[in-house]
Amino acid sequence: EVQLVQSGAEVKKPGESLTISCNGSGYKFATYWINWVRQMPGKGLEWMGRIDPDDSSVKYSPSFQGHVTISADKSISTAYLQWGSLRASDTAMYYCASLYCTNGVCVAYWGQGTLVTVSS
Amino acid sequence: DIQMTQSPSSLSASVGDRVTITCRASQDISNYLAWYQQKPGKVPNLLIYAASSLQSGVPSRFSGSGSGTDFTLTIGSLQPEDVAIYYCQNYKSALWTFGQGTKVEI
Repeated sequence: EVQLVQSGAEVKKPGESLTISCNGSGYKFATYWINWVRQMPGKGLEWMGRIDPDDSSVKYSPSFQGHVTISADKSISTAYLQWGSLRASDTAMYYCASLYCTNGVCVAYWGQGTLVTVSS
Repeated sequence: DIQMTQSPSSLSASVGDRVTITCRASQDISNYLAWYQQKPGKVPNLLIYAASSLQSGVPSRFSGSGSGTDFTLTIGSLQPEDVAIYYCQNYKSALWTFGQGTKVEI
């Protein structure tokens, strides 16, 4: 069974750094691109960027470029979302997700979400 | 960036009603369009991909149509368990964008 399992909830102060993770299991990790999606409290889904775990190439949404870093370690089937300096406005639920399409059929896999709270 | 615009932002309908949600892309995305359902406190669930293909296990009352820039999600007969927020998603060129969501209430 394919699963994306995310790290647990985090509470941080403004200015602190943070890395959250997404571990893939039940499949060859390099097969699916891993996307990160933000959902602020009571708001919609926002795509942040994605990584190809096979070659670690990354595409960012312009809205998030420069504020977060997406990376992956294929050897341990894990993708990461990193902040160098958190802001209160980073308070949100963060999901990793994949949409894998082959031969005209698509399947979606989502992590359970990681709640990040940034407060002084 | 490809922008996705959903309408309406919310709707209220009765059980058994036919419900239609529309999604417009700012440029041609062919059929690289998915629809998700998100219930409160839950992870988004894929309903439709490739604009009109029903995900396995999704009730047949859900259907999708459209191509290019204009797309529609239809719930053929609204059920109480369909109360949720629905999002369209562009996935052309492996760069995603989501619509702002449509809240469906009974």
